[in-house]
Amino acid sequence: QVQLQESGPGLVKPSETLSLTCTVSGGSISNYYWSWIRQPPGKGLEWIGYIYYSGSTNYNPSLKSRVTISVDTSKKQFSLKLSSVTAADTAVYYCARRVAARPIYCFDYWGQGTLVTVSS
Amino acid sequence: AIQMTQSPSSLSASVGDRVTITCRASQDIRNDLGWYQQKPGKAPKLLIYAASSVQSGVPSRFSGSGSGTDFTLTISSLQPEDFATYYCLQDYNYPLTFGGGTKVEIK
Repeated sequence: QVQLQESGPGLVKPSETLSLTCTVSGGSISNYYWSWIRQPPGKGLEWIGYIYYSGSTNYNPSLKSRVTISVDTSKKQFSLKLSSVTAADTAVYYCARRVAARPIYCFDYWGQGTLVTVSS
Repeated sequence: AIQMTQSPSSLSASVGDRVTITCRASQDIRNDLGWYQQKPGKAPKLLIYAASSVQSGVPSRFSGSGSGTDFTLTISSLQPEDFATYYCLQDYNYPLTFGGGTKVEIK
């Protein structure tokens, strides 16, 4: 059974960089798109971006200037860095596995989510 | 970016009711749409992909339909464990975008 687990600081100061890592277990990291998705408290879901196992990336234009997603296939981990954070970046951050092979496009496995609060 | 408009934003229903949630895309997305269920404090769970394909392990009371711009999630007979928030997601192009969510509450 594939499992994803987010890890990283739960509190980040304004203007600093948020850093999270997602560790994949129980399955291969190859041939999938690995995404970050966030959800501000009491609000809806926002796709942040993905990295393919080969290293290619795609980011949401709304965050593109501040986001970097990287992958370490040897450790079966992928990471999110979001720079210059403000209170608006306070959210539960989820990592998820995306299947993208027509006709199947979906997020089939998700991490449990980790709350990151931006506050001084 | 493609806008996904879900309706209603919330509804109250009783156990056994038939529930329908709709999602409209701002442009044609073929059938590249998924439905996700989220319970409080939990990650979203995939229910439906490709507009009408039910994910393995999901009860048969869940079904999806539609193509182009208009899509529907139907719960044929609402069960106690179905009270949750439901989101649609367009998987047609980037950036991927979610609908605003529909909260299904107990009447």
